Amino acid sequence: AQSVTQLGSHVSVSEGALVLLRCNYSSSVPPYLFWYVQYPNQGLQLLLKYTSAATLVKGINGFEAEFKKSETSFHLTKPSAHMSDAAEYFCAVSGPSGGYNKLIFGAGTRLAVHP
Amino acid sequence: EAGVAQSPRYKIIEKRQSVAFWCNPISGHATLYWYQQILGQGPKLLIQFQNNGVVDDSQLPKDRFSAERLKGVDSTLKIQPAKLEDSAVYLCASSPRRTEAFFGQGTRLTVV
Repeated sequence: AQSVTQLGSHVSVSEGALVLLRCNYSSSVPPYLFWYVQYPNQGLQLLLKYTSAATLVKGINGFEAEFKKSETSFHLTKPSAHMSDAAEYFCAVSGPSGGYNKLIFGAGTRLAVHP
Repeated sequence: EAGVAQSPRYKIIEKRQSVAFWCNPISGHATLYWYQQILGQGPKLLIQFQNNGVVDDSQLPKDRFSAERLKGVDSTLKIQPAKLEDSAVYLCASSPRRTEAFFGQGTRLTVV
């Protein structure tokens, strides 16, 4: 069965510092991978997605992620954190074993940004 | 383009009562999902529709939860009777084929 593991339920960075949120997937065949962001009392908003094209994917708000098959990883990065980046971030997977229309989410990482 | 609409935004009920949530997906999206998000956890898929039909309801507690998708468009999710552990945010999402899902703002249910 497909799954994703997000390492670190809470990450805290200073404003202007690098943001790195970790996601590892479990799938025998390269799946589709997604990062979503959730602000308080809101639904989930897509940041970026990997669907077997370029391995370095750029998303909204300056975020990007790199698909590394050898490491089964899809970590999310942003060079310089803003206060407005404080939110919950979810990694998700879909793919051949579960169906490309079935999204399985990780437990989430809460990002705090301090001045 | 209008997004996924959900109502109500908030609902407080007593245990053993019933409750229903409504979702209107993005026009033309064949796939509709209901997710349950318990505080501090990632969303868990409850049920997935493809047009009118159910694709996956393996994690839907069928003794108390039911869902339908009317004419392949709107959907309702019902809980009867509610338990304390049903307190969560219920998220509806829709998707065109083989792409990302688009989420509504969710309904926050509190069972007291």
